[in-house]
Amino acid sequence: GENVEQHPSTLSVQEGDSAVIKCTYSDSASNYFPWYKQELGKGPQLIIDIRSNVGEKKDQRIAVTLNKTAKHFSLHITETQPEDSAVYFCAASNDNFNKFYFGSGTKLNVKP
Amino acid sequence: EAGVAQSPRYKIIEKRQSVAFWCNPISGHATLYWYQQILGQGPKLLIQFQNNGVVDDSQLPKDRFSAERLKGVDSTLKIQPAKLEDSAVYLCASSLGTGGRNFGPGTRLTVL
Repeated sequence: GENVEQHPSTLSVQEGDSAVIKCTYSDSASNYFPWYKQELGKGPQLIIDIRSNVGEKKDQRIAVTLNKTAKHFSLHITETQPEDSAVYFCAASNDNFNKFYFGSGTKLNVKP
Repeated sequence: EAGVAQSPRYKIIEKRQSVAFWCNPISGHATLYWYQQILGQGPKLLIQFQNNGVVDDSQLPKDRFSAERLKGVDSTLKIQPAKLEDSAVYLCASSLGTGGRNFGPGTRLTVL
């Protein structure tokens, strides 16, 4: 089955700096890659996703890049704000979207 | 639209006791998922329903866990008897088909 690895496990940045979280996957059949943000005491919320026919996608301060050859994808957050502090999860899924394989999460701390 | 509802939000029980969690998905969402999230890890799928039929329960410890989705709407997840290692957050999610998951706030279970 699919194996998704996520790094780093914790990330601390100063407000206004950029943050990058990286994930690798093992199954070349995976073609859908969502990113979730989980705040304390809440369920994960989808923040951005990318399909394998696209190399990059951007939504305001958030962007995701995908390298299919190397089997890795990354989340980029620019101009970080304290409210970006949360745990971020990457996931990989195949054509059927039946199974989401989640990474282990990155705890992002944005210091004011 | 209203999000995925779960109750209770917190539950503390002794080992060997039983516990049940309830989930009400987003209206019209045919697919419902139960995930287990152990502290510091990503969500792990326990069971997936399509309407009121089970699509995938390969990761469900069937000797102690059971789930049902009567009438294809609400769902309950039961653990009987609970073990210490069942301490986790239990997340319910729903989706229109098998696409992006909409997660509920979760139920935090502590087994003493």
